[in-house]
Amino acid sequence: QKEVEQNSGPLSVPEGAIASLNCTYSDRGSQSFFWYRQYSGKSPELIMFIYSNGDKEDGRFTAQLNKASQYVSLLIRDSQPSDSATYLCAVDTDKLIFGTGTRLQVFP
Amino acid sequence: GAVVSQHPSWVICKSGTSVKIECRSLDFQATTMFWYRQFPKQSLMLMATSNEGSKATYEQGVEKDKFLINHASLTLSTLTVTSAHPEDSSFYICSAPNREEGQDTQYFGPGTRLTVL
Repeated sequence: QKEVEQNSGPLSVPEGAIASLNCTYSDRGSQSFFWYRQYSGKSPELIMFIYSNGDKEDGRFTAQLNKASQYVSLLIRDSQPSDSATYLCAVDTDKLIFGTGTRLQVFP
Repeated sequence: GAVVSQHPSWVICKSGTSVKIECRSLDFQATTMFWYRQFPKQSLMLMATSNEGSKATYEQGVEKDKFLINHASLTLSTLTVTSAHPEDSSFYICSAPNREEGQDTQYFGPGTRLTVL
């Protein structure tokens, strides 16, 4: 079983819609969770981090964490074509473990 | 957020030569830094953890004699790919943790694209 799992996608959503990206992890002791965005040929850039159960909002982005279900998600409201990228979920145990990423495509 | 830089951003070298990549934390200090490698259409793979003042910790399957890491100061780590071969061609990315809200948050450098001919 992979430590951090994401659907590879692509996830296609129309401009203005809500994009929902999901991630599950296997280490129940994980405490810190991160979402990174990676454009093709570029390095990952941090979008959000979340440590506590529940929701955390930052602009158009909302991260949701459910430790009991070992599940973390990222919602992107009012999706824009510029949001098209690969979104990496990362879980910090004693080191940062990345999922393989979900490719998001936002079409006009 | 914190800023991490890398130099060079890209390098092309001949097979058998060595290449040094620098990673700097610009506005914070980092006692540890991390080196990743990413092949096309694959996820990031952690290669090693760079520790200031002590030896680096390598992940399983990563040759420490081939990928030399030196954490010279609290803001600088270097990765040297020795005797590079075409299969070492990849995107090398470093990261450094910055303490935010009581937790370490990893910030990535812009990456170095290595092409070995």
